[in-house]
Amino acid sequence: SQTIHQWPATLVQPVGSPLSLECTVEGTSNPNLYWYRQAAGRGLQLLFYSVGIGQISSEVPQNLSASRPQDRQFILSSKKLLLSDSGFYLCAWSVTDNQPQHFGDGTRLSIL
Amino acid sequence: SQQGEEDPQALSIQEGENATMNCSYKTSINNLQWYRQNSGRGLVHLILIRSNEREKHSGRLRVTLDTSKKSSSLLITASRAADTASYFCATGGDRGSTLGRLYFGRGTQLTVWP
Repeated sequence: SQTIHQWPATLVQPVGSPLSLECTVEGTSNPNLYWYRQAAGRGLQLLFYSVGIGQISSEVPQNLSASRPQDRQFILSSKKLLLSDSGFYLCAWSVTDNQPQHFGDGTRLSIL
Repeated sequence: SQQGEEDPQALSIQEGENATMNCSYKTSINNLQWYRQNSGRGLVHLILIRSNEREKHSGRLRVTLDTSKKSSSLLITASRAADTASYFCATGGDRGSTLGRLYFGRGTQLTVWP
């Protein structure tokens, strides 16, 4: 069966520090991969999605970047975190476009 | 915007009662999906209804879709305290128009009291 792993669960970082969040999927090949951010009490904002290795689409301009170095690995990064980067970050995968997405348990990121 | 919008924003009921949540959207869709999110966790896919379907059932869940009104409803029958969560609708656009992404609403927070 397919599983998705996202870590860490909680992260506290100072302003200006770098960030690296990792997400890996097991049990499937060539999945679509997604990074979302969720503000408290709000819906999901799509940050990045990828349909293949090295193929990244960005939905909104921001202080973050994403990479997909391997088929089932998706990394969210920042060189210098801002206070506004605080939030709940979720990784997800799907078989293809418009299909059900399967989410990791998220990373709660707090910037101090 | 293609983003779905759920209504109500919050719903509080007693165990055993039915819970109905609604979702409206603005553009043509390929399908509409409902997700559940427990506090502090990731979303879990509940059910997908295609644009040519009008109703779908899964256990205690019943979803309807009215494409002429661009709306959907999620009914949870005989609710339980364990159903307490946020519920989101997400719309999948017509192929070629949205690059395959899903558009999530802001969710309905359902609280079921024992």
